[in-house]
Amino acid sequence: SYVLTQPPSVSVAPGKTATITCGGNNIGSNTVHWYQQRPGQAPVLVISYDSDRPSGISERFSGSNSGNTATLTISRVEAGDEADYYCQVWDRSSVNRVEFGGGTKLTVL
Amino acid sequence: EVQLVESGGGLVQPGGSLRLSCAASGFTLSNHLMLWVRQAPGKGLVWVAHISSDGTSTSYADSVKARFTVSRDNARSALFLQMNSLRVDDTAVYYCVRSFDSRGGEFDYWGQGTLVTVSS
Repeated sequence: SYVLTQPPSVSVAPGKTATITCGGNNIGSNTVHWYQQRPGQAPVLVISYDSDRPSGISERFSGSNSGNTATLTISRVEAGDEADYYCQVWDRSSVNRVEFGGGTKLTVL
Repeated sequence: EVQLVESGGGLVQPGGSLRLSCAASGFTLSNHLMLWVRQAPGKGLVWVAHISSDGTSTSYADSVKARFTVSRDNARSALFLQMNSLRVDDTAVYYCVRSFDSRGGEFDYWGQGTLVTVSS
């Protein structure tokens, strides 16, 4: 199966920029989607197709994908951004399956 | 307004069965690939299964293959997950998830989830 690797935790001060990575073998050739999950809530799509922002998502959220790393960037971090973040791809190389990264807990200091 | 409402979770003994349902509203179910994703307590998101928009194609995670069956009734706007031979490690919140279109891609709507607890 295709493995996606995320750091378990990232900490950032309010107003600063948070960077959350998602590593995978040649992930740049795939498309990556990102989800935010606040405690006790269902996940919410925050970035699709590497860098597209769905309607209603703050412009402070952005994404990129190249080589072996996809990146979610949250600028001017706010307390409300504290959540778990997951990357996701479709692995169509052999079996048609979905892969999620292990998740990153973003802590706002 | 798009809504996905899961039901059918609960407490079941190891080896038992449960059938989860997901009632979809606010959109045409037959236009979308649909999935089940689960999350064990304190753990991350894990794909369980998905089904094509017309119901003719399914795919399962290795951990549930041959035990779980995903199905849908587009006329009733409903998605199902039949879970047999349940194990303790199947304990999780199960989410009904909509893919943006019929081909896959991003998951743009999630239900609130239903908790399945497998315990003796």
